Amino acid sequence: DAGITQSPRHKVTETGTPVTLRCHQTENHRYMYWYRQDPGHGLRLIHYSYGVKDTDKGEVSDGYSVSRSKTEDFLLTLESATSSQTSVYFCATVSGRGSYEQYFGPGTRLTVT
Amino acid sequence: ELKVEQNPLFLSMQEGKNYTIYCNYSTTSDRLYWYRQDPGKSLESLFVLLSNGAVKQEGRLMASLDTKARLSTLHITAAVHDLSATYFCAVDAGNQFYFGTGTSLTVIP
Repeated sequence: DAGITQSPRHKVTETGTPVTLRCHQTENHRYMYWYRQDPGHGLRLIHYSYGVKDTDKGEVSDGYSVSRSKTEDFLLTLESATSSQTSVYFCATVSGRGSYEQYFGPGTRLTVT
Repeated sequence: ELKVEQNPLFLSMQEGKNYTIYCNYSTTSDRLYWYRQDPGKSLESLFVLLSNGAVKQEGRLMASLDTKARLSTLHITAAVHDLSATYFCAVDAGNQFYFGTGTSLTVIP
């Protein structure tokens, strides 16, 4: 357990509104990831971070942005939410100190109406 | 485009039986991961396989990796109901992880 929390855990929002999801970790892990999980697709990487202010795109990054101003926090922003972004979002971390194991947060269920 | 394919996608098996889940991937990678997910829950790391020929076992589950064939297997021995869950494999390509679509396992008493 890498002490990962996500907030909010559930959110319903309207199309066109901006939404920010927060991932917080207490283990000082270097790498942080945002995934979305949809039926039939497994988990797909949205963005990831390999250090403070160092981020990069994953395979489904369109419509999302991220920021990491502190080691412990990784924010995911949906700039203008669409119904296709209704999903369960998971944050994950990797320590980067010789360990490749990923630890996952509890997830955020987002519904865009 | 990197692909990770699992089969079967759905597996219903009787308690006490053995079965294998397969994970094929399309990139050269020496690192392969297995996760378990219970309904409505997050993912739990089961195995981290870091080299060709790696084999790891935990209870009734055993995972192996053949990097030359780009294949990993998750073998279930004498299944019990508590193993009912969705199992995912994932491949590490640089800093990114690519997941299979998952195998939904139901163990029937």
